[in-house]
Amino acid sequence: GQQLNQSPQSMFIQEGEDVSMNCTSSSIFNTWLWYKQDPGEGPVLLIALYKAGELTSNGRLTAQFGITRKDSFLNISASIPSDVGIYFCAGRTSNTGKLIFGQGTTLQVKP
Amino acid sequence: DVKVTQSSRYLVKRTGEKVFLECVQDMDHENMFWYRQDPGLGLRLIYFSYDVKMKEKGDIPEGYSVSREKKERFSLILESASTNQTSMYLCASGLTYGYTFGSGTRLTVV
Repeated sequence: GQQLNQSPQSMFIQEGEDVSMNCTSSSIFNTWLWYKQDPGEGPVLLIALYKAGELTSNGRLTAQFGITRKDSFLNISASIPSDVGIYFCAGRTSNTGKLIFGQGTTLQVKP
Repeated sequence: DVKVTQSSRYLVKRTGEKVFLECVQDMDHENMFWYRQDPGLGLRLIYFSYDVKMKEKGDIPEGYSVSREKKERFSLILESASTNQTSMYLCASGLTYGYTFGSGTRLTVV
């Protein structure tokens, strides 16, 4: 099936640092979503993007829908210990299609 | 808020047992999904359903079946559990804007 390439696979950073992660695909997507999974829980939706070039923020999180419609980026500013978890990108190629998920980025924050 | 409830957080089953994982959502969503999560492999789609009594195979349906007799309930069935089905299982329901996930069931097959 279709795949999303998410990178990096894992990050270990110092509290206060900024974080960047991205997803790329060989297919064009019309929706990009970013989820966060806390340890022992299910993923929770952070940000949804619906237009190429769209830049959306949610607190310290900012995500962008790439102009080519084949990629998306998530930035976290001034990281804190509760940012720890697995971040997943997800995309959809049509309004009725199911979501395709990236492999996840595991984030660890050192206080 | 949409709530997706998975009946068990942890399960331990024996090889060869028939296992039922239950999922219930309370927002009248037509779409429901079952994923499997393994380290380094992300979320892999097992089965999904767009309506009652309708089901479609996802990317890894082998060894699994599903049942959707009522709109709010979507069950995943392991016909004969095997050790390679030890994993975290996540149910989701949703619309175009995105899915809502349950808290997951961590299944161990011994």
